[in-house]
Amino acid sequence: DTEVTQTPKHLVMGMTNKKSLKCEQHMGHRAMYWYKQKAKKPPELMFVYSYEKLSINESVPSRFSPECPNSSLLNLHLHALQPEDSALYLCASSPGQGSHNEQFFGPGTRLTVL
Amino acid sequence: GENVEQHPSTLSVQEGDSAVIKCTYSDSASNYFPWYKQELGKGPQLIIDIRSNVGEKKDQRIAVTLNKTAKHFSLHITETQPEDSAVYFCAVQSGFQKLVFGTGTRLLVSP
Repeated sequence: DTEVTQTPKHLVMGMTNKKSLKCEQHMGHRAMYWYKQKAKKPPELMFVYSYEKLSINESVPSRFSPECPNSSLLNLHLHALQPEDSALYLCASSPGQGSHNEQFFGPGTRLTVL
Repeated sequence: GENVEQHPSTLSVQEGDSAVIKCTYSDSASNYFPWYKQELGKGPQLIIDIRSNVGEKKDQRIAVTLNKTAKHFSLHITETQPEDSAVYFCAVQSGFQKLVFGTGTRLLVSP
């Protein structure tokens, strides 16, 4: 299996809702990432998990809460989001060993905050 | 931190022509340079990458060249096809696990 899968594909939520995005990979990768991508912009790194531990947090607001239950799964918990948080949320994984940082992306979750 | 510039922002070519996209970076310690293709409604797809110990890498119609002295690298697509139409992002590894992306190039290949 050489895919990164993400669910749901689309999500619409109100500013008071709590929702979660899910990501899964079965490539044996030990690093997993969350990116945010606004329209016509490049992906922006949010979080990195390495060997199931949070290794990078790019000063992301606390209304985004990542979780890595095991080496294959990555969640992003959302609470009290703002309309400006509407974006494509991308998950990626990489081997996480040595200098090999080939990152493989999932298809993304299109999030709309009303 | 690392700064990556990408040009051009849009590129229109006729089918069969070649396309070249260029990126420059600022950190001379950077050593990994991937290129991604993103089609509408999809996530970025890794299409080719190069490490700082080589100057050129080729995979069928796609090639990447790296000039470490000048701190720039380029994507070359030959014999372009309509299915090559997409947004292309260069990226530079900054630190162990962080990729910094260029601003993207929208490539349009007309039949």
